[in-house]
Formats: sequence, C-alpha cells, structure tokens
Amino acid sequence: AQTVTQSQPEMSVQEAETVTLSCTYDTSENNYYLFWYKQPPSRQMILVIRQEAYKQQNATENRFSVNFQKAAKSFSLKISDSQLGDTAMYFCAFMKHGGAQKLVFGQGTRLTINP
Amino acid sequence: EAGVTQSPTHLIKTRGQQVTLRCSPISGHTSVYWYQQALGLGLQFLLWYDEGEERNRGNFPPRFSGRQFPNYSSELNVNALELEDSALYLCASSSRDRAHSEQFFGPGTRLTVL
Repeated sequence: AQTVTQSQPEMSVQEAETVTLSCTYDTSENNYYLFWYKQPPSRQMILVIRQEAYKQQNATENRFSVNFQKAAKSFSLKISDSQLGDTAMYFCAFMKHGGAQKLVFGQGTRLTINP
Repeated sequence: EAGVTQSPTHLIKTRGQQVTLRCSPISGHTSVYWYQQALGLGLQFLLWYDEGEERNRGNFPPRFSGRQFPNYSSELNVNALELEDSALYLCASSSRDRAHSEQFFGPGTRLTVL
C-alpha cells in the first residue's frame, strides 16, 4: 500500500516570501503520478501541479514548482512570491499509473500568508 | 467549461437515517470518484465509477454505496447513518482523454449527523 507523509502541519510566511512544503511517500511502484492540491477555506480542492514519475524534469506552473527526488521518494512544493490568496490547506497526493485510479493523500499542511 | 458540481451544499441528518449525495462531472469526463474528508482522518477514497460500473472501492462498510448514470453523473448513498459519517464528501471527475491522470474536484457536500 502507498502512504504519503506531510511532516509540516502548519506553516506561516510573509507575503512575497518563498515557501517550501515537504512531502514524502512510500511505494513499490515504478510508474506513478504525484500531485499538489490546494484547499482554501471555500473547501474547493484545486489541482496546483502534477508530476509524472518517469519524467526527470521538475514540473512548474507559474509561481509553483516542485522538487521531485524519485530515489529519495520526496516531492516538495515551492511557492515563489507568495500571495495572500495562497493561504490554504495544501495536500500532497499519490496515484498509481493505470490500475485503480484512486488518490492517496497526505495529512495536509496549513499554509498562512501574512500581509 | 463548467466544473464538477455537487448537491446539496449542506445536509443535516440524524442517526439511522439515509442520505443521497449527487455529483455531476465535468462535461466529457467519464470517471467519477468519491472521497470522504472527516475531521482528524484526512481524505479517504470511497468509490470510483467509470462508464457506469463500480471499478474500485475504499475501506468503507457496505452501507456506503452509489451508482453512475448514463450521463456519467453519480449518486452516493449512505444508509443507517452514524455520527462518525459527519464529514465533507468530495466528488471528483477525470477524462479518458488524459488517461484519467488528473482528478478535478467539486465543492463538496458537508454532511452533519446528529
């Protein structure tokens, strides 16, 4: 079974700073996907970024980028030039490639961006 | 393009009652997933429907069930409600065109069991 661990329950930074959220996972699979989802107080889960395990290049979406270390089973999210609207719960998630298409989530990190 | 929609937004039930939650996927998406987000338990996978068939279910008792309709919308039914069923129920959908590699979520239904 796959597990996802987010070791930082809460983080807080000032607006415009850069912040990195940590995620580690455990799997025996070689091919899979990793995701970061954002859940603001409105509750809507929003897909932030996706990484395919067979791609060595780290995914980037505007101010959001990941550091994917397959051997270390680490998948951190970096938010550059943080904005007040980035305040949310952030969930790291794992999905096997093919087969049962369920997402396995970490416990989440509550990120607060202060003005 | 409209996103995933869910109804109702909030629901209050009492122990022992039955509830039905509804989900409409993004147009063109054929797979629907249900997740439970309970306080202290995180997000847990409940059910996956694709092309009208149940493809996988999580570690939940049989009183959690559902179905998917020909238009790919889905219902989640919970019978004999228990207090611990109080949670946010999230529905997500995915597209065969993207090899079901991304799931997009609806706003959720908040269920409170008294």
